[in-house]
Amino acid sequence: QSALTQPASVSGSPGQSITISCTGTSSDVGGYDYVSWYQQHPGKAPKLMIYDVSNRPSGVSNRFSGSKSGNTASLTISGLQAEDEADYYCSSYTSTIPYVFGTGTKVTVL
Amino acid sequence: QVQLVESGGGVVQPGTSLRLSCAASGFTFSTYATHWVRQAPGKGPEWVAVISYDGSHIFYADSVKGRFTISRDNSKNTLYLQIDSLRGEDTAVYYCARDQLEWLLSYSMDVWGQGTTVTVSS
Repeated sequence: QSALTQPASVSGSPGQSITISCTGTSSDVGGYDYVSWYQQHPGKAPKLMIYDVSNRPSGVSNRFSGSKSGNTASLTISGLQAEDEADYYCSSYTSTIPYVFGTGTKVTVL
Repeated sequence: QVQLVESGGGVVQPGTSLRLSCAASGFTFSTYATHWVRQAPGKGPEWVAVISYDGSHIFYADSVKGRFTISRDNSKNTLYLQIDSLRGEDTAVYYCARDQLEWLLSYSMDVWGQGTTVTVSS
């Protein structure tokens, strides 16, 4: 099972919106509504930001939103803030093994 | 507060074994599936294994099948990962993480420990 494909980096200015893509196949992202997104700051553990494609856990800012179209899921961060600078990873249920993570995207706030 | 604390990491020689532990507190450990996820230096997370709330269902990543054993002791609120025949590519930070839903596998992990570092080197 290969990792899901994400862009290596995405950047934006404070206040702008950015979108991170996560591309898989019909055996993972496209086949199930079980895509999650995690934020990871350097030296810290990942933090769940989105689950089941578009749901936010309690306490996560509504500036974070998720969606999916076909085999590609997306995470949008609106009103970009300095604290959003981090690595972001998608994950999905797969038909072969329960979980696979994406390759990761480094978000830079300019 | 809800917390997971890993321990047992260290510098070990190739071919040896290691047992990692993850102590849970602040929630009913026995009702949640729990995972091990590892992250090699400079790389993204890699899911390793999951065990259901009662230990009756266990799944492993292909990359660790046969060498890693996940287990739990609900009476001690503790999750374990036994790693045998350690290899250089096992060098990573190992995290335990709680599955989001009680009783079920939800395909997302909402509580993570701080991680324990395993370095395999001769």
